[in-house]
Amino acid sequence: DGGITQSPKYLFRKEGQNVTLSCEQNLNHDAMYWYRQDPGQGLRLIYYSQIVNDFQKGDIAEGYSVSREKKESFPLTVTSAQKNPTAFYLCASSIAGSNEKLFFGSGTQLSVL
Amino acid sequence: EDQVTQSPEALRLQEGESSSLNCSYTVSGLRGLFWYRQDPGKGPEFLFTLYSAGEEKEKERLKATLTKKESFLHITAPKPEDSATYLCAVRAGGTDKLIFGTGTRLQVFP
Repeated sequence: DGGITQSPKYLFRKEGQNVTLSCEQNLNHDAMYWYRQDPGQGLRLIYYSQIVNDFQKGDIAEGYSVSREKKESFPLTVTSAQKNPTAFYLCASSIAGSNEKLFFGSGTQLSVL
Repeated sequence: EDQVTQSPEALRLQEGESSSLNCSYTVSGLRGLFWYRQDPGKGPEFLFTLYSAGEEKEKERLKATLTKKESFLHITAPKPEDSATYLCAVRAGGTDKLIFGTGTRLQVFP
């Protein structure tokens, strides 16, 4: 079955540590996205990529980094510069340049130890 | 600035009690309005896309409508399994990204 796989489901970060969230899709989509979800707030866009080896900052990119070396993969690194990383992180993909819906993964809950 | 506002924040319904959720938006060049359902601890699940004012879409007990300023998600005779958070999002002209509202948390009691 085609879809988006996020791992791990739960992740804990220590002070000063960088952590990487995985996102893999087999939908053959060019566009991929990372959103952050906090209680009582809408999904906020961190980074997005419309093609391999290219990505753009979203609304809250500070303290995060991404790479897009393969079409199928769009990992997100939460760096030590992100002072409030506790949130639910969602990866999504879509057909680039279309008006089609986004498909979402099942999310990663990141907490600070 | 593009913006999406959903109301109410939370809604409690008795099973069978119909109601509507609202999504108002201000966006430059609406390319589409999307409704998603999200269960706790899971990713959003797609429900509908609406592209132009006057358009309506239906799926089981849900019906989505769109005007030039807002969209409604009507829930007819809801069941407990309809309990979830319903998210609205818009796509503006010249971009692929979606802008989300804060959602409406719906609880349906037997």
